[in-house]
Amino acid sequence: QLQLQESGPGLVKPSETLSLTCSVTGGSITTGSHYWGWIRQPPGKGLEWIASIHYSGSTFYSPSLKSRVTISVDTSKNQFSLKVSSVTAADTAVYYCARTVYSSLDPWGQGTLVTVSS
Amino acid sequence: DIQLTQSPSFLSASVGDRVTITCRASQGISSYLAWYQQKPGRAPKLLIYAASTLQSGVPSRFSGSGSGTEFTLTISSLQPEDSATYYCQQLNSYPITFGQGTRLEIK
Repeated sequence: QLQLQESGPGLVKPSETLSLTCSVTGGSITTGSHYWGWIRQPPGKGLEWIASIHYSGSTFYSPSLKSRVTISVDTSKNQFSLKVSSVTAADTAVYYCARTVYSSLDPWGQGTLVTVSS
Repeated sequence: DIQLTQSPSFLSASVGDRVTITCRASQGISSYLAWYQQKPGRAPKLLIYAASTLQSGVPSRFSGSGSGTEFTLTISSLQPEDSATYYCQQLNSYPITFGQGTRLEIK
């Protein structure tokens, strides 16, 4: 059974870079034509897609975040990662990773709360 | 970007009721629409993909329909455990976008 798990610091200072990793178990990140992505949800708000990547390196980014976001993949570790630079309080959110399949997102990781605060 | 507008934003219904949530797209998205259920403190759970295909393990009281710009999620007989927020999502084209969510309360 495919499972995804986010990891990374829960607290990041303003202006610094947020870094998260999603570890994939129960299957290979190089299988099929799936994209692997990041989605976030500020406290009490809705879902916002951030970026997606294929193991070949093909990427898509949210236009509103593109200038500050980098997504990457490490096939040797079966992981993909997210970096968000110059963070502010507005980047405080639960960050989820998920696989894209049939134009939907499944499965999802459990999510990790990242708080931006000094 | 393709905008998705859900209605209503909030819905209160009783056990056994039939409820419908609508998702409208700002442009045609064929059938590239999914529905999710999210409970507090949990990750979203895929219910429906390709507008009308029930994800494995999801109860059959959930159904989806529509194509183009108008889509619906229907719960045929509401159960207490269906209290949650529901989101639609499109991937006809990047960027992936979500509706704003519909909070469903059980009376």
